Amino acid sequence: EAGVAQSPRYKIIEKRQSVAFWCNPISGHATLYWYQQILGQGPKLLIQFQNNGVVDDSQLPKDRFSAERLKGVDSTLKIQPAKLEDSAVYLCASSLDGYTGELFFGEGSRLTVL
Amino acid sequence: GENVEQHPSTLSVQEGDSAVIKCTYSDSASNYFPWYKQELGKGPQLIIDIRSNVGEKKDQRIAVTLNKTAKHFSLHITETQPEDSAVYFCAARGGNNRLAFGKGNQVVVIP
Repeated sequence: EAGVAQSPRYKIIEKRQSVAFWCNPISGHATLYWYQQILGQGPKLLIQFQNNGVVDDSQLPKDRFSAERLKGVDSTLKIQPAKLEDSAVYLCASSLDGYTGELFFGEGSRLTVL
Repeated sequence: GENVEQHPSTLSVQEGDSAVIKCTYSDSASNYFPWYKQELGKGPQLIIDIRSNVGEKKDQRIAVTLNKTAKHFSLHITETQPEDSAVYFCAARGGNNRLAFGKGNQVVVIP
């Protein structure tokens, strides 16, 4: 079974530029999550989708971050404009239904903002 | 929201010894407590989990115990091996159904 795919693995941009990350979850998983992991900290939920609807985006900085999951499968997370403090690993995860059990994480996209 | 804290931040053990990591949580409505292992350059991977109606769960060399009254749970790794070296995150699913992660523990197994 293929795991959660993310791209790009690494991205370096200057502050005020924009960046987009892509995620393809495990086939059949209804729930998709984007987490932000700052160095030395645990993952922090940015947004959770159930199929193509948003379940929880209360911790998403909506003035600069946006995410979509148009067809209920893959998803894109965008940051515009980026700030220095956005430097982190952006992890995508998926689960069967969002209410029980395991989250399957991708390898993450490491963003460095200079 | 849920607040999860982990102790200690770094743990070094001799190969073959046991390692114990403790976590505390704040939301008494939390009902699901997973542990994730993260190796360098990879995403976290679930190693064991426990639900609030169970006090202990074991899977080979790994066990998790839960004390709901004290609102803490612990990961126990016995007979540690070099491949157990990683960062371990505890998490708790609170009343808002959101999974909150601790800051992680770096476990170093010394051969």
